[in-house]
Amino acid sequence: NAGVTQTPKFRILKIGQSMTLQCTQDMNHNYMYWYRQDPGMGLKLIYYSVGAGITDKGEVPNGYNVSRSTTEDFPLRLELAAPSQTSVYFCASKGGFATNEKLFFGSGTQLSVL
Amino acid sequence: GNSVTQMEGPVTLSEEAFLTINCTYTATGYPSLFWYVQYPGEGLQLLLKATKADDKGSNKGFEATYRKETTSFHLEKGSVQVSDSAVYFCALVEDQGAQKLVFGQGTRLTINP
Repeated sequence: NAGVTQTPKFRILKIGQSMTLQCTQDMNHNYMYWYRQDPGMGLKLIYYSVGAGITDKGEVPNGYNVSRSTTEDFPLRLELAAPSQTSVYFCASKGGFATNEKLFFGSGTQLSVL
Repeated sequence: GNSVTQMEGPVTLSEEAFLTINCTYTATGYPSLFWYVQYPGEGLQLLLKATKADDKGSNKGFEATYRKETTSFHLEKGSVQVSDSAVYFCALVEDQGAQKLVFGQGTRLTINP
């Protein structure tokens, strides 16, 4: 049972480059989320999805895009990387509709933009 | 808006010491509350939760009680172990529709043998 899988684990980008962070889950979860974690800070929500074909912005969406063409996959796209996007990125998912259900997190992608 | 505030870290304790990590929240209504833990090099995982006032969540010797009157959800453990070294996050669920979590800034805990 793989759970939530993120790739790559590490990446270094130059300013202005683009990349896609991959996230896939095998639990048939409806809800998926992208968070970023900056040093000494809590997690900030970038984008989320409540089902295939539905996405919406979180707290810090600028500079990012997402898509949700399937239930399993929720890739995060950085179009023009900037140093401010240096962070650790976590993908998470949740299956049920109850608000007290837990999130399942991937192991994260550490991104540096130089 | 909704927010979560945790005690400043890092926190360093000796093995078998008593642990308290303070967490207070600001929210409309009475959201479910959570503690997540992040071990080195890993993603977050749920430690415990409480869904209504006076509920006590517990797991692995950790406990937290949902206090409506003080809007708090402090994490406690009676005797910590080296293996408890991690970053601990308090969180609340903000939005009924999308069920987004709002996290505190995290508290890094180091336990020395």
